[in-house]
Amino acid sequence: DAGITQSPRHKVTETGTPVTLRCHQTENHRYMYWYRQDPGHGLRLIHYSYGVKDTDKGEVSDGYSVSRSKTEDFLLTLESATSSQTSVYFCAISESQVRSPLHFGNGTRLTVT
Amino acid sequence: DAKTTQPNSMESNEEEPVHLPCNHSTISGTDYIHWYRQLPSQGPEYVIHGLTSNVNNRMASLAIAEDRKSSTLILHRATLRDAAVYYCILRDDSGGGADGLTFGKGTHLIIQP
Repeated sequence: DAGITQSPRHKVTETGTPVTLRCHQTENHRYMYWYRQDPGHGLRLIHYSYGVKDTDKGEVSDGYSVSRSKTEDFLLTLESATSSQTSVYFCAISESQVRSPLHFGNGTRLTVT
Repeated sequence: DAKTTQPNSMESNEEEPVHLPCNHSTISGTDYIHWYRQLPSQGPEYVIHGLTSNVNNRMASLAIAEDRKSSTLILHRATLRDAAVYYCILRDDSGGGADGLTFGKGTHLIIQP
C-alpha cells in the first residue's frame, strides 16, 4: 500500500470553528489531491498540488484552503466550518502526470454540527 | 473530460467471471481509460488503465473496443472481496493532467456467495 496517512480519521466540530485535515505521504510523490465524497455526488476534487507551494483549485474549492510547505504534507483547512462541509475527505498522491495512478488514503470523516 | 456511462449496479456469483462495461463514445485520441474501485469504508483503489490495446495485470483485464468507444473490465474469478463500486474514468494525456481524476457514479458490483 502507498504510504499515505490521513489525520484525524474522525472529527466532530461545531459550525464556525476552523478545522485542518492533514495528509502525510512517505512516497516522495510530486502530486497530491484532496477530494470529498458525499452521497449522490460521488468524489469531487477540492484542491490539488503539483509541488511544494504550488497548488490549484478543483471543482468544489469554495470554503477550503490548502497549503503544502513540504513534499510530504498537504493540509486542507476549513476556515469556518459549515454543516454543508460534513463529508468524508480523501487525500490522494500521484508520482507524475496522467499515466501514473492515484493512490488514496483511507479518508477522514468530518461532521460539522 | 469526456464522459463515461456505466450501469448503476451489477450482480454476479462468487468464483465466476465478471464483465463490467463502460461506454465512452466521445473519447478523444489522447484519453487513457482508467478503472478504479472503492471497497466499503475505504478510499478508491487503482485497478488498471489502457489506451488502445487490451491490458492485463494481477487484479483484472481491460478489453478496449477497436473504435475505443467502449471498454470492459474483466474480473476473471470474482470473490466476495471484489464487491465494490467500480469507476471507469477517462484521463486526458495531452494537457499535463495535474488536476486528478473526475469520478462518476460508477457501477456497484454485488457478489453473491
